[in-house]
This record gives sequence, C-alpha cells and structure tokens, in this order.
Amino acid sequence: NAGVTQTPKFRILKIGQSMTLQCTQDMNHNYMYWYRQDPGMGLKLIYYSVGAGITDKGEVPNGYNVSRSTTEDFPLRLELAAPSQTSVYFCASGGGVATQYFGPGTRLLVL
Amino acid sequence: GENVEQHPSTLSVQEGDSAVIKCTYSDSASNYFPWYKQELGKRPQLIIDIRSNVGEKKDQRIAVTLNKTAKHFSLHITETQPEDSAVYFCAADMDTGRRALTFGSGTRLQVQP
Repeated sequence: NAGVTQTPKFRILKIGQSMTLQCTQDMNHNYMYWYRQDPGMGLKLIYYSVGAGITDKGEVPNGYNVSRSTTEDFPLRLELAAPSQTSVYFCASGGGVATQYFGPGTRLLVL
Repeated sequence: GENVEQHPSTLSVQEGDSAVIKCTYSDSASNYFPWYKQELGKRPQLIIDIRSNVGEKKDQRIAVTLNKTAKHFSLHITETQPEDSAVYFCAADMDTGRRALTFGSGTRLQVQP
C-alpha cells in the first residue's frame, strides 16, 4: 500500500492564480481531511469528507474548495491564491475512528 | 468547538532525562486523544493515543495519561534520546460524527546529547 499520496510536493503560485492539490489514498478509508500548517504552528482543518459525495467545512475553509467523487481521491482547489495561503498542506485519511494517516505534504508559496 | 492548548512550546532536556508535555481541552464530550511526532520537513506520525475509558497507556519509553475530570492529558517520554528531538502535537477529537481532530500548537523537543 502506498498509503496517502499528495502531488505536487512543492509549488510557487502568483497572486490570483488557481491550482488543485491532489490527494489519493489506497486504504479504502471513508474519512479524508485537508489541513494547513503555517510555519511553527499546529495543523488547522480546512475541509473534511466522511465519504464519497459528502464534504464539510473545517476551521479555515475560506479561499478553498473540495470535492469527493470517489473514495480514493480528495482534491483541494485554491481559487485566487493570496499570500496568506502560503503554507504546507497535509491530506489525511482515517478508517472509522479518529486515527488519521497523513500524506507527505505539499509546500505552497504564493508570491 | 473544541480548543486544545499545549505547553510548553519548547522543551530542552539532556539525553537520558524525562520529558513531559501537557495539553488541556475544552469539550467534555471528546473521547480520543492522539499524540503525533513531526520531524523537520516530514509528515506528522501517530506515536500513541488514548481513549476516554482509559487513564494511562504505555508503549516502551512513551506513556500518555488522561484526566477526564480536569480535561487534561500528558505525554511522558523517559530515557530520552537525540532521535526523540522533534515537534510533538497533541490532539482531541471534535465530536464522534465528524471524526476530525483539533490539534494543539505543538512542542519543540530538543534532546541534548
């Protein structure tokens, strides 16, 4: 099993550009999450999903969108990138209890 | 919603000493309390967790204690080694339906050889 994979590993965006961060898991987990981690800080929940077709907002959803068309994939869309979205983005999945397995992260720099 | 506070923010110990990191949470309905270790540039990795029906759990040099009445839980690392140096995060589940976690702000542990 590859676990949770994320692409790209690193990306530089200009202000106002858009992009999609990809996340895929092969553990057949129902629950998937997107977190952001600012330098020296903890993880903040952006969006989460409890199954295909079901998504909901976390603590910091503004400026982001998600979709969950399959169990495996949970992409995160950034529209109109802003410098405040410079962060490391982690995707995670969980099988039914709160235990979460994290992907390797995507480092995003918005200039 | 759930709020998790973590102390200290930085902790420096000598190799072989013990380290203790403490967290408090606000939601008395929380039932699951994991601890994650994050090395520089890497993803968070689960190292130990505890559920509300247990007061203490141990795994080799790592232990976690939970006091539900006081709403706090702690991570104890004994016989620290340089490879224990990392950032440690506590977390608490927001509510059982969401299966989501609220994280503390992290503790940077430095083990001096």
